[in-house]
Amino acid sequence: QKEVEQDPGPLSVPEGAIVSLNCTYSNSAFQYFMWYRQYSRKGPELLMYTYSSGNKEDGRFTAQVDKSSKYISLFIRDSQPSDSATYLCAMAGGYNKLIFGAGTRLAVHP
Amino acid sequence: DAGVTQSPTHLIKTRGQQVTLRCSPKSGHDTVSWYQQALGQGPQFIFQYYEEEERQRGNFPDRFSGHQFPNYSSELNVNALLLGDSALYLCASIRGGQGIVYEQYFGPGTRLTVT
Repeated sequence: QKEVEQDPGPLSVPEGAIVSLNCTYSNSAFQYFMWYRQYSRKGPELLMYTYSSGNKEDGRFTAQVDKSSKYISLFIRDSQPSDSATYLCAMAGGYNKLIFGAGTRLAVHP
Repeated sequence: DAGVTQSPTHLIKTRGQQVTLRCSPKSGHDTVSWYQQALGQGPQFIFQYYEEEERQRGNFPDRFSGHQFPNYSSELNVNALLLGDSALYLCASIRGGQGIVYEQYFGPGTRLTVT
């Protein structure tokens, strides 16, 4: 079993839809939870991070962490074609080592 | 302020050959990590360099080795290339040995194709 599980999709939604992306993990020691966005042939860029449990909102994006269920989510409101990318969840191990999910490919069509 | 830079952008090698990839960290960062991202997969941690030493290593064979220079730049070397080594190789940098994990920045990657 992988430490971090993420449905690879692809996910296709119409412009303006609410998108829900999710990951599950097995290591209860994880404290930092990140979401990265990766455009084709580019490096990942940090979208949001959360420390421990709870919610965090930034514009159209909301990150949620439920440590009791070992489940994290990213919600995108009013999705735009420019949101089309691969979304990677990541958790921090020791010495800032990141453990990534497989990534979910999202396509937002006009 | 330049971010993380990597060279070359892409290259093609033949099975059995050796390859060296290069990374310059973001200004002010002194710790460099390398990741391998196979097509359709998330990045996998290869190893991390801090103070010119390998501090932590992921589940990769000894064919993968690295180096960090006094100016904090780093190289990743892969010997005896296999077809399965074809991937995007990402470099990430962070400030300080115990820098805050979400302040880790990634470079654009080097795409390696092994034929």
